[in-house]
Amino acid sequence: EAAVTQSPRSKVAVTGGKVTLSCHQTNNHDYMYWYRQDTGHGLRLIHYSYVADSTEKGDIPDGYKASRPSQENFSLILELASLSQTAVYFCASSEGQGAEQYFGPGTRLTVL
Amino acid sequence: GDSVTQTEGLVTLTEGLPVMLNCTYQTIYSNPFLFWYVQHLNESPRLLLKSFTDNKRTEHQGFHATLHKSSSSFHLQKSSAQLSDSALYYCALSDRPGGYKVVFGSGTRLLVSP
Repeated sequence: EAAVTQSPRSKVAVTGGKVTLSCHQTNNHDYMYWYRQDTGHGLRLIHYSYVADSTEKGDIPDGYKASRPSQENFSLILELASLSQTAVYFCASSEGQGAEQYFGPGTRLTVL
Repeated sequence: GDSVTQTEGLVTLTEGLPVMLNCTYQTIYSNPFLFWYVQHLNESPRLLLKSFTDNKRTEHQGFHATLHKSSSSFHLQKSSAQLSDSALYYCALSDRPGGYKVVFGSGTRLLVSP
């Protein structure tokens, strides 16, 4: 069974503060992704990675950084959290093109 | 750039009626992979079905879809809606060879009532 876990599951942050969202997968997948979900916008790709120690910008990378220290772990960093970053964030992993994406349970982030 | 369009934000149906959720896409690559993901309330998205073969019907859990490259479409259908089908449905595209980026549509919420 594919397994992607995220921590924390929910977080309240203050504007201007630093937030780190963590993702861990036990699927032995090379590809990992960070999405945000907002009503009316669906799932939008923030950053992704296809190998450890390397990350790529997705469609909406502004205000976010990513880190892939190992094949299993992928973090999303908000250096200066803003109100507009309030959303649900999903991490996913996959084997690659044409392959199913396995999503984590999501992190609900509220920035006040 | 690549894009996926789901024209309906919300579809409401009575149980037992047929379901059709629209999905069209744009890509310059000739061999795209198309997916449907389903997300039930307070859950994460999970794969419902996928296809990369032109004009071949793909089925799973009572749902089916056919990739039509001529019209760049991959509509999701089901003959009879059930209450448990109420969920958010995403159409998604993965295209270029060796590519690992997936583009999602904005999603269609399906609400099935008794």
